[in-house]
Amino acid sequence: DAGITQSPRHKVTETGTPVTLRCHQTENHRYMYWYRQDPGHGLRLIHYSYGVKDTDKGEVSDGYSVSRSKTEDFLLTLESATSSQTSVYFCAISPGTGAGANVLTFGAGSRLTVL
Amino acid sequence: DQQVKQNSPSLSVQEGRISILNCDYTNSMFDYFLWYKKYPAEGPTFLISISSIKDKNEDGRFTVFLNKSAKHLSLHIVPSQPGDSAVYFCAAKDTSGTYKYIFGTGTRLKVLA
Repeated sequence: DAGITQSPRHKVTETGTPVTLRCHQTENHRYMYWYRQDPGHGLRLIHYSYGVKDTDKGEVSDGYSVSRSKTEDFLLTLESATSSQTSVYFCAISPGTGAGANVLTFGAGSRLTVL
Repeated sequence: DQQVKQNSPSLSVQEGRISILNCDYTNSMFDYFLWYKKYPAEGPTFLISISSIKDKNEDGRFTVFLNKSAKHLSLHIVPSQPGDSAVYFCAAKDTSGTYKYIFGTGTRLKVLA
């Protein structure tokens, strides 16, 4: 889907374990985002990146960390997963300049279940 | 504090009629607005957008209207088709030195055949 892939697509884990979700893009877009989708809450921004090694917090960043060591990869880490982090996670990218500068393109999502 | 609000969780419309989805925002620093459509088990897909310097943008059956003074935007779908049944999210881009996109809670549209 427009050169953006998320892995894993599904994961079940136990409370207290670390989890890393990966977002990989082949579009060379500058901006990358992590959202979570929950019933009644819509899409909420967790963290975003505006360049390699440049990241900032979103609306619901507690319990999450991110890293971006190269343009194409944006990692979301749950250091110690909790049941409240059971959700569907979406990665999104945006070029920031040129055609479609302000349009977010989303990945297919990663469904995480924390038992 | 919900900066982007979609106050109607669901909407049902007859096929061929107009669907109107509404969105309100509170932050005057938002300068670009987007609508996304989401089917189950898929990522959201971009539908249409509008810059704050405009009050209307049209693309085929989809038109977005922006009323800056009321901090309100709406998406009109004419005519509605069964394939339009999905969850619709409005989003706003924050330009106050960040590149955040804030989404509403979504409206589930059901188009009845």
